[in-house]
Amino acid sequence: GENVEQHPSTLSVQEGDSAVIKCTYSDSASNYFPWYKQELGKGPQLIIDIRSNVGEKKDQRIAVTLNKTAKHFSLHITETQPEDSAVYFCAAKDSGGYQKVTFGIGTKLQVIP
Amino acid sequence: KAGVTQTPRYLIKTRGQQVTLSCSPISGHRSVSWYQQTPGQGLQFLFEYFSETQRNKGNFPGRFSGRQFSNSRSEMNVSTLELGDSALYLCASSFGGTGWSSVANEKLFFGSGTQLSVL
Repeated sequence: GENVEQHPSTLSVQEGDSAVIKCTYSDSASNYFPWYKQELGKGPQLIIDIRSNVGEKKDQRIAVTLNKTAKHFSLHITETQPEDSAVYFCAAKDSGGYQKVTFGIGTKLQVIP
Repeated sequence: KAGVTQTPRYLIKTRGQQVTLSCSPISGHRSVSWYQQTPGQGLQFLFEYFSETQRNKGNFPGRFSGRQFSNSRSEMNVSTLELGDSALYLCASSFGGTGWSSVANEKLFFGSGTQLSVL
């Protein structure tokens, strides 16, 4: 089955700096890569996603890049703000119709004001 | 549009008991997935239901079961509770189309979860 590795497990940045979270996946059949943000006491919320036919996608301060050959994908947050502090999960899903999504272990991001 | 609703929010049970958790998906969503979240293991996939049928199952023992009703609401049951079952149980809904579905079909929307504590 799919295995998703995520690092770092914790990340502290100064407000205004950039944050990068990296993930690798094992199943070459995976073609959908979402990223989720989980705030304390809440469920994960989808913040950005990318399909395997796209190398990069950007949404305001958030961007995701995908390297299919290396099976790497990364989340980039620019101009970080205190409200970006949360746990971020990367995930991967294969092309099958079933909604089995494999998640990384999570990265706890702390933005220091 | 109402989000995914999970009830109850908190549960305290003792070993050996059973528990039933409920999930109401977003209106129009036909797929409901369940995940177990623990600090050490992250989010682990339990199972997914689509149109009242279990389509996929994770690597959990048979004590974990679920079902989906005709209105897409889903329940998850854990029998003979063990201390290790203490976790946040998350439900996620999606349109859940099959095959080469659009990204819209694949987006998962999570509820706030049910925090289960087994004493």
